[in-house]
Amino acid sequence: DIVMTQSPDSLAVSLGERAAINCKSSQSVLHSSNNKNCLAWYQQEPGHPPKLLISWASTRESGVPDRFSGSGSGTDFTLTITSLQAEDVAVYYCQQYCSSPLTFGGGTKVEIK
Amino acid sequence: QVQLQESGPGLVKPSETLSLICTVSGYSISSGYYWSWIRQPPGKGLEWIGTIYHSGSTYHNPSLESRVTLSVDTSENQFSLKLSSVTAADTAVYYCAREILGLRNSAYGYWGQGTLVTVSS
Repeated sequence: DIVMTQSPDSLAVSLGERAAINCKSSQSVLHSSNNKNCLAWYQQEPGHPPKLLISWASTRESGVPDRFSGSGSGTDFTLTITSLQAEDVAVYYCQQYCSSPLTFGGGTKVEIK
Repeated sequence: QVQLQESGPGLVKPSETLSLICTVSGYSISSGYYWSWIRQPPGKGLEWIGTIYHSGSTYHNPSLESRVTLSVDTSENQFSLKLSSVTAADTAVYYCAREILGLRNSAYGYWGQGTLVTVSS
């Protein structure tokens, strides 16, 4: 199984400041067929299902604010929230979909400082 | 728009079988995409359980494979999960979801609201 490790477990950021969440995979998640990284990011607010923010490591889903961006390749990835807003308070998960079983990171809780 | 809704008992006794149905609206399961179950124990992270295609092809997490049965009913536009021999460790919010890339291994853009299943006597 590919193990996904997120850091930090939680972080507190002032409104308007930048938040960065890291995700490391135990092996490369580079998709063999298209040379893209099969890495997704989700946002989960309390009591709600996860919401897909980014797929293929850096492709933002329709309707996702452009303050959310994904970067990285191979085994190391980052979700960056520039200019944190109050509505961004949530737990964020990374997920690899290169190989079965699909696996998720343990989550990073983002709070307002 | 695509909507998914889980239904089933919220309380299951240990050693019994957990059964859930996901009803899909706004999209025909027969039209394609892969359909999955994902669970989340209270206060914990996400675990992929398994995936089914409208043809009936299924893919399971090896950690649960021997206990999981997935099925699809295209006439009702539903797919279902059965998890046998449950224990307290199976207590979780169970989500059904649809992927967005047309791939068996994929990212999930559509989720049900989730249903909490508690295993307790």
